[in-house]
Amino acid sequence: SAVISQKPSRDICQRGTSLTIQCQVDSQVTMMFWYRQQPGQSLTLIATANQGSEATYESGFVIDKFPISRPNLTFSTLTVSNMSPEDSSIYLCSAQAPGNEKLFFGSGTQLSVL
Amino acid sequence: EDQVTQSPEALRLQEGESSSLNCSYTVSGLRGLFWYRQDPGKGPEFLFTLYSAGEEKEKERLKATLTKKESFLHITAPKPEDSATYLCAVRATSGTYKYIFGTGTRLKVLA
Repeated sequence: SAVISQKPSRDICQRGTSLTIQCQVDSQVTMMFWYRQQPGQSLTLIATANQGSEATYESGFVIDKFPISRPNLTFSTLTVSNMSPEDSSIYLCSAQAPGNEKLFFGSGTQLSVL
Repeated sequence: EDQVTQSPEALRLQEGESSSLNCSYTVSGLRGLFWYRQDPGKGPEFLFTLYSAGEEKEKERLKATLTKKESFLHITAPKPEDSATYLCAVRATSGTYKYIFGTGTRLKVLA
């Protein structure tokens, strides 16, 4: 199994600012993902964080708004840029361990934008 | 289009009252179906993976089953600590490695 530490756990931000969320895994993983979870909705994949290369974004999400880094096999960051109230949500980091189909999740970041 | 639908959206049970949660899915080819439990303020926690129709998995009071079109999460004699949101997800054999999640069932077990 893998343990994922995600921080901050929550934040309240002003419109127009940016927030960087950090995700640290306690072991090497193959895939790392960033999800958004809005009330009453399913988990929506934002992007796949690729080690040493640009992230792969899903439809509706762009790099300028959600830049992602993954400098090594155990760490990734997601930045929510130029925030608006519509960005208020829970953001979740997840990872898939080698030879394992299941996903592990961090505890999430509850973001509120005023 | 790959899709996952969970029902009911919410369920209230008395302690000891057994029930089932449903996950209906449409996928081009099923690589795996996953059940997760999510407590408030926490990320989803893995429960089960099912790969083929007829497969069953059990853990304490939970039992997951799979057919070609749906999966059930059976909860036997639930306790208040089983209260959580239960999420279902599928992964297809073709295309990308994406996991498609349902919206979940919010379970409340009353003492």
